[in-house]
Amino acid sequence: AQSVTQPDIHITVSEGASLELRCNYSYGATPYLFWYVQSPGQGLQLLLKYFSGDTLVQGIKGFEAEFKRSQSSFNLRKPSVHWSDAAEYFCAVAPAGTASKLTFGTGTRLQVTL
Amino acid sequence: NAGVTQTPKFQVLKTGQSMTLQCAQDMNHNSMYWYRQDPGMGLRLIYYSASEGTTDKGEVPNGYNVSRLNKREFSLRLESAAPSQTSVYFCASRARGGETQYFGPGTRLLVL
Repeated sequence: AQSVTQPDIHITVSEGASLELRCNYSYGATPYLFWYVQSPGQGLQLLLKYFSGDTLVQGIKGFEAEFKRSQSSFNLRKPSVHWSDAAEYFCAVAPAGTASKLTFGTGTRLQVTL
Repeated sequence: NAGVTQTPKFQVLKTGQSMTLQCAQDMNHNSMYWYRQDPGMGLRLIYYSASEGTTDKGEVPNGYNVSRLNKREFSLRLESAAPSQTSVYFCASRARGGETQYFGPGTRLLVL
């Protein structure tokens, strides 16, 4: 069965600092990979996704993620964090070829200090 | 175009009461999903409907039933609520062949 691990429950960064959120997955083949963001009291919004091809994918709000097959990782990065980025971030995987059944990680809560 | 809408936004139930959570989407999507979100556990799939007229169990279906009323609407029913069902419930939809699930704003349920 596929699984997703987000090892950091809570991260605090200063505004303007760089950010990296970690995501590791366990799956027999290369799955579809996603990052979602959830602002307080809101639903989930897709930040970016990887299916194949270029291993560095760009998303909305200045986020990017890099797929590393050898490490089974799909880490999310942002060069300079803004206070409005404070939210909870979820990594998710789905079987390759379909986005039907998403398996989510437990999430990382990002706090941004001014 | 409202996307995915859910009602109610918040509900308090007593143990043993029943209720139905409503979800509707106006994007003409084929697939719809119900998830629950609990602290420290991420989102877990309760039920999904790949197309109108079909439903399938997800990871945590016990204590729930669903109805795909038509292409737009997918409801989740708790027949006899239990405190363990206190959670935030999200509905999502996806287009046929699409790669992205679109989420509603959620329903926060408290079972006393």
